[in-house]
Amino acid sequence: DAKTTQPPSMDCAEGRAANLPCNHSTISGNEYVYWYRQIHSQGPQYIIHGLKNNETNEMASLIITEDRKSSTLILPHATLRDTAVYYCIVRLYLSSGSARQLTFGSGTQLTVLP
Amino acid sequence: DAGVTQSPTHLIKTRGQQVTLRCSPKSGHDTVSWYQQALGQGPQFIFQYYEEEERQRGNFPDRFSGHQFPNYSSELNVNALLLGDSALYLCASSLLLAGANEQFFGPGTRLTVL
Repeated sequence: DAKTTQPPSMDCAEGRAANLPCNHSTISGNEYVYWYRQIHSQGPQYIIHGLKNNETNEMASLIITEDRKSSTLILPHATLRDTAVYYCIVRLYLSSGSARQLTFGSGTQLTVLP
Repeated sequence: DAGVTQSPTHLIKTRGQQVTLRCSPKSGHDTVSWYQQALGQGPQFIFQYYEEEERQRGNFPDRFSGHQFPNYSSELNVNALLLGDSALYLCASSLLLAGANEQFFGPGTRLTVL
């Protein structure tokens, strides 16, 4: 699975949009971009994933560049409860349906400030 | 609908002992993966079970073994415990044939080896 690069930490003001970048310059055509977050002392929580189109759900939006070498996770209105470590993961999708394991890096510690 | 559950929540062992951790997957899921998360690091994949067999394995020694039962629940066993085995152990479940879907994580078991 391709390696990802994320900034180690970011701050965001409460109520503002949080934009978390991720570089994955070696991504291949059948690898998805996943985002998970981990609030202190809890298990990781799935946020969103995408292949090449922008995706949006009730939690966040995922913007993937046209060349797929980078992406941005957007939390449109950050709250204090969004303070967590955010992991960007590139994961191979196998057409046979086999679920590959997640390879976590160090992630970005997002701190939402009041 | 219960999510992924793990037991116990905390455990203290001494070097050389053996430990068994337990995981019940989310309802409807058939695949269980185990991860080890050392303090300050991202989770590291240990292995994955499907149809009561180990399907994928990360870079962990044979001291780490597992089992999956017919009801899809799973156990992680660690023999001859070392101080370095102290970590948060996470279980994640998914549905194998759902392809690029997300994994759901449990709250973890905090293992301390003295």
